[in-house]
Amino acid sequence: AQSVTQLDSHVSVSEGTPVLLRCNYSSSYSPSLFWYVQHPNKGLQLLLKYTSAATLVKGINGFEAEFKKSETSFHLTKPSAHMSDAAEYFCVVSDVTGGFKTIFGAGTRLFVKA
Amino acid sequence: DAGVTQSPTHLIKTRGQQVTLRCSPKSGHDTVSWYQQALGQGPQFIFQYYEEEERQRGNFPDRFSGHQFPNYSSELNVNALLLGDSALYLCASSSPGQGAETQYFGPGTRLLVL
Repeated sequence: AQSVTQLDSHVSVSEGTPVLLRCNYSSSYSPSLFWYVQHPNKGLQLLLKYTSAATLVKGINGFEAEFKKSETSFHLTKPSAHMSDAAEYFCVVSDVTGGFKTIFGAGTRLFVKA
Repeated sequence: DAGVTQSPTHLIKTRGQQVTLRCSPKSGHDTVSWYQQALGQGPQFIFQYYEEEERQRGNFPDRFSGHQFPNYSSELNVNALLLGDSALYLCASSSPGQGAETQYFGPGTRLLVL
C-alpha cells in the first residue's frame, strides 16, 4: 500500500539559510513523486516531479529534491530561503499500478524569519 | 491559456442539503480528479474522471458522486451534507489520460456546512 510521511509539521528558518523539508514514502512499485506548494488562499502549485529519470530533480524557484530509493526518501531542499517561500508544502506519491492512486502527505508549514 | 477554474469560490450550506461544485480543466487536458482538503490536512483523493467515466475512487461514501461532460468539464455532487464535509474541494486536471501525469490544480471551492 502507498503512504507518504512528512516528518515535520512545521519548519522555521531564517531568510538566506538553507531549507530542508523531509518526506518518506512507501510504495509497492515504482512511483512518481511530486512536491507541491500551497500559498494561503491559493491553489496548489507544482514545484517538481520525479519519474525514474535523474535522481536529483530540479524544480522552480531554486528548489530541488533527491530521490533515494534505499532510504525511501524524497527530501526537498533550497540553498537559501526567501520570505516568499513561506507556505505549506506537500509531498505526493502517485502510482497507476492497479488503478490511479495519488496520496498526499499531511504537509509541512514553512516559516521564514527576516 | 486559462488554467483550471472552479466555481463557486465559496459556498455555505446546511446539514442535509445537496451541493454541486464545478470544474473546467486546463486547455488540452482530458482527465479531472477531485480532492477534499480538510483544514490543516493534506488533500484526500475523491475520484477521477476520464472519457466521461469514473476511473478510480478513493475512500469516500456514495454521497459523493461526479460527472464529466463531453467538453471534459466536471461536477462534484455531495448529497445529505454533514458537518464533516466542510472543507476545501480541489479539482485537478491532467493529460493525456493515463499514467501518473502531472496534475494542475484549481484554486478550490471552500464549502462550509452549518
